[in-house]
Amino acid sequence: DADVTQTPRNRITKTGKRIMLECSQTKGHDRMYWYRQDPGLGLRLIYYSFDVKDINKGEISDGYSVSRQAQAKFSLSLESAIPNQTALYFCATSDQEPGLAGAGEQFFGPGTRLTVL
Amino acid sequence: AQTVTQSQPEMSVQEAETVTLSCTYDTSESDYYLFWYKQPPSRQMILVIRQEAYKQQNATENRFSVNFQKAAKSFSLKISDSQLGDAAMYFCAYFSENAGNMLTFGGGTRLMVKP
Repeated sequence: DADVTQTPRNRITKTGKRIMLECSQTKGHDRMYWYRQDPGLGLRLIYYSFDVKDINKGEISDGYSVSRQAQAKFSLSLESAIPNQTALYFCATSDQEPGLAGAGEQFFGPGTRLTVL
Repeated sequence: AQTVTQSQPEMSVQEAETVTLSCTYDTSESDYYLFWYKQPPSRQMILVIRQEAYKQQNATENRFSVNFQKAAKSFSLKISDSQLGDAAMYFCAYFSENAGNMLTFGGGTRLMVKP
């Protein structure tokens, strides 16, 4: 079974709709992240959480919100979707204390392709 | 803020040949980590190789190796004996615990492998 799962894998929605993307992990990691991927721009950080009570904005948080329901679950919401939020969205996790051999390494989910019409 | 630049949007290589993907980064930190991730058509992000900045020796993983030039802030990926399965997007990424514990990604290079 996958360590980091995302639902849905693909979603088409209309402008103005509220959308929630969900992420679950079985790795036991405290740290979780949401990224979006656009052609030519790589992955950009939307929000991140270092534990259940710690939520932080990333580089491009406008238009998004998140909820950390438990250590294993981190959801991303688009309150009112717009076409320029069409992108591939990734959830990732990392270990708080991975040791030198694992420092910085993040483990990614399979991605959610979101299309806003 | 840290930036990571991949100047080659697309590269192609003949099967069994060698190809080098370029990456440069900007940082004022002395202690950091660099990564190459592979993203095949399945969209999954797969870690290919990592380099610790405090290590002078270049990292290698089977057919993958890096040329890490700390003073020049350059981190290129060499793929030897290219295989059809190497065709993918490749992302260079930077991480520093002193810079918010974030991964900063380059824009990616699409590698095509010709049979």
